[in-house]
Amino acid sequence: GEDVEQSLFLSVREGDSSVINCTYTDSSSTYLYWYKQEPGAGLQLLTYIFSNMDMKQDQRLTVLLNKKDKHLSLRIADTQTGDSAIYFCAESIVSSASKIIFGSGTRLSIRP
Amino acid sequence: DTAVSQTPKYLVTQMGNDKSIKCEQNLGHDTMYWYKQDSKKFLKIMFSYNNKELIINETVPNRFSPKSPDKAHLNLHINSLELGDSAVYFCASSQEPPITDTQYFGPGTRLTVL
Repeated sequence: GEDVEQSLFLSVREGDSSVINCTYTDSSSTYLYWYKQEPGAGLQLLTYIFSNMDMKQDQRLTVLLNKKDKHLSLRIADTQTGDSAIYFCAESIVSSASKIIFGSGTRLSIRP
Repeated sequence: DTAVSQTPKYLVTQMGNDKSIKCEQNLGHDTMYWYKQDSKKFLKIMFSYNNKELIINETVPNRFSPKSPDKAHLNLHINSLELGDSAVYFCASSQEPPITDTQYFGPGTRLTVL
């Protein structure tokens, strides 16, 4: 089946690291993505990882992929108030017409 | 410069009406999409067009009809609006189908059906 799951909420203290987790079901996924949605805005691609990679780092963002467990995580180092948003995990599906399946989104809130 | 734009940004209408949402992209992309995001923020693909041809239709009711007059535009027409159609509708585009390419999203159209 095609399913992507995330926890709905995460609260982190400013300056700490945030780790947002995601699990997916389709083993034929080629790319896995993290999108950010700020209030009242569309989705912005943060980063993506190809399914044959284990890790990708981009400035404060680190993506870890455990393909065996179908688990994806996004780590945001030194979390800032501007990081408050909803973060969507998504996977590309090759088995059917090419499309992206999104998770339910994790709302990240930052405590002072 | 706006990459993917949608109009209107907000749409409030009565049940039973027919309405359209327009989407335009100036990125020169070949593929465009419509997504529906419900009140719980679940985001689901509705349609995908590549070079003006429909490639994905995710069991969306017939009341929804996408129209692509050219590669840069993908409009969404909704007939006989129902309460459950209330959501935020996002248009997106990518150069290739999304397996290998980034999707760029529009700002969304918040549709409220009364």
